[in-house]
Amino acid sequence: NAGVTQTPKFQVLKTGQSMTLQCAQDMNHNSMYWYRQDPGMGLRLIYYSASEGTTDKGEVPNGYNVSRLNKREFSLRLESAAPSQTSVYFCASSESGPGKLFFGSGTQLSVL
Amino acid sequence: AQTVTQSQPEMSVQEAETVTLSCTYDTSESNYYLFWYKQPPSRQMILVIRQEAYKQQNATENRFSVNFQKAAKSFSLKISDSQLGDTAMYFCAFMKLHGGATNKLIFGTGTLLAVQP
Repeated sequence: NAGVTQTPKFQVLKTGQSMTLQCAQDMNHNSMYWYRQDPGMGLRLIYYSASEGTTDKGEVPNGYNVSRLNKREFSLRLESAAPSQTSVYFCASSESGPGKLFFGSGTQLSVL
Repeated sequence: AQTVTQSQPEMSVQEAETVTLSCTYDTSESNYYLFWYKQPPSRQMILVIRQEAYKQQNATENRFSVNFQKAAKSFSLKISDSQLGDTAMYFCAFMKLHGGATNKLIFGTGTLLAVQP
């Protein structure tokens, strides 16, 4: 039972480079989320998707774009990476209605 | 806007003892959920316990229990019989019930718990 799978697990970028973080879930969940985790700040919501074809901004969306490719996959793109985007990124999914989130194992991204 | 505050950045406890992690939150909502998540060194976020605000009874999951004080907006986590595997970062989180399809969590800054042998 894979749950939520994120790739890659680690990535180093130079300032200005672009990349896409991939996320897929096999639990048939409608909702998916991208969070970033920074020391002393907890996890903050970047973007979320309530269902296939819809996306909405979270608390810290600047510098990011997302795509809900289908019900399983939700990708996060950094068009022009900046050092301030050095962080650990988590993808999560949940069922409709109040319930718990299932998290991936995270992507550690360093922007030099 | 809702906020979640964890005032203890780090805590330490001896194996087999009991420890309590504090969390306070600020909201004007009456219907919401509160959570404690554990993040061990593996980075994986694991749900420890969940409390619905409309339930007066405190949630319990094996060695983990909460003290939910709605009027005081306090939600502490008690870990009994601490084990070495409990060593982790613990996050308190808030979720507003808004009737929508998404479950957006607002997290506190975390408490790093070290269980000493």
